[in-house]
Amino acid sequence: EIVMTQSPATLSVSPGERATLSCRASQSVSSNLAWYQQKPGQAPRLLIYGASTRATGIPARFSGSGSGTEFTLTISSLQSEDFALYYCQQYNNWPYSFGQGTKLEIK
Amino acid sequence: QVQLVESGGGVVQPGGSLRLSCAASGFTFSSYGMHWVRQAPGKGLEWVAFIRYDGSNKYYADSVKGRFTISRDNSKNTLYLQMNSLRAEDTAVYYCAKAPRRYGDYHDYWGQGTLVTVSS
Repeated sequence: EIVMTQSPATLSVSPGERATLSCRASQSVSSNLAWYQQKPGQAPRLLIYGASTRATGIPARFSGSGSGTEFTLTISSLQSEDFALYYCQQYNNWPYSFGQGTKLEIK
Repeated sequence: QVQLVESGGGVVQPGGSLRLSCAASGFTFSSYGMHWVRQAPGKGLEWVAFIRYDGSNKYYADSVKGRFTISRDNSKNTLYLQMNSLRAEDTAVYYCAKAPRRYGDYHDYWGQGTLVTVSS
């Protein structure tokens, strides 16, 4: 099973600043990596798939990069609605697996 | 628009069984793979199971293999998760999620989830 490790566990950033979230895979997942956002009491929402493709309706301030084992989600200018939990997921090998999540909080 | 509505959650004793359903609408259900994903209270996401568009292949997390069975009825646009030999650690919100194609990949749409509590 591929283990996904996200860092940091909690990230404190001020509104308007840039946030950079990391995700590492225990073995190569090629570009088969997705990012999701989850707010309290809500289902997750797809942000990025294929490591770098924004899902429908996702603002351009969200961008993804990386391939193989190292991935990054960048939010260029944080808005109030962006403070939430973020998960990465590999879908290259069964069983699929998620990272443990990064909580993005207001500084 | 795509809608996924889960049902069937509730409280069950350890060792018991429960069947979850997910009613799909707003897309051609029979053309897409479907997943179940769960989230224990205050914890992260855990992928549980996947079924191909026609039910021909199924995949499971090691934690549920041999106890849970995913299935679908394309005539009813409904996805199922039969859960047997339930344990306390199966307590979670269970989400059904649509795949973007027939054979798997990520989750492009999610339901709102149904809570399963395993407790005596």
